[in-house]
Amino acid sequence: AQSVTQPDIHITVSEGASLELRCNYSYGATPYLFWYVQSPGQGLQLLLKYFSGDTLVQGIKGFEAEFKRSQSSFNLRKPSVHWSDAAEYFCAVGYTSGTYKYIFGTGTRLKVLA
Amino acid sequence: KAGVTQTPRYLIKTRGQQVTLSCSPISGHRSVSWYQQTPGQGLQFLFEYFSETQRNKGNFPGRFSGRQFSNSRSEMNVSTLELGDSALYLCASSLSVSGEQYFGPGTRLTVT
Repeated sequence: AQSVTQPDIHITVSEGASLELRCNYSYGATPYLFWYVQSPGQGLQLLLKYFSGDTLVQGIKGFEAEFKRSQSSFNLRKPSVHWSDAAEYFCAVGYTSGTYKYIFGTGTRLKVLA
Repeated sequence: KAGVTQTPRYLIKTRGQQVTLSCSPISGHRSVSWYQQTPGQGLQFLFEYFSETQRNKGNFPGRFSGRQFSNSRSEMNVSTLELGDSALYLCASSLSVSGEQYFGPGTRLTVT
């Protein structure tokens, strides 16, 4: 069955440090890939998406992600984290199995130290 | 463009009651999906509607139902509420069935 794995439940980084959040998926072909961010008590906001083409995609708020087909990964990165980046981050995969479906990883909660 | 709106934002119900949540998608979006989010289970897919037809359904009991109207607005209904139904219910809309989803702020349902 298709799946999305975010191996890190919690990550703590210092403000100004770089960040990488991991996401691995299981799917036979190349799916559509997404990263979302959720602040406490809020809905999810789309950070970036990958459908095809350039494997390094730029998103909002200074985030980028790189699709690596050989590793079935779509890791999210930011060169310098701000305190306002503290939130929960979800990786999502869109794929076709009969109909088009969407599945989410379990999320990574980011804490930023001042 | 206005984003996805959900009403009400907060709701308190007692066990055994029923509840209806509403979602208005972004203008022009025809696909609406519903998710249940809880601390223990994460984001779980409930169902998806496109042009008033349910296209996909998650693994939830029949107490959970939904519908979509001709203007793409959607409602979900939960009958005979249980304590375990307490959750944040998120609605998401997309332009097409394979497009990126845009989420509303959610409805926080508390069942006592």
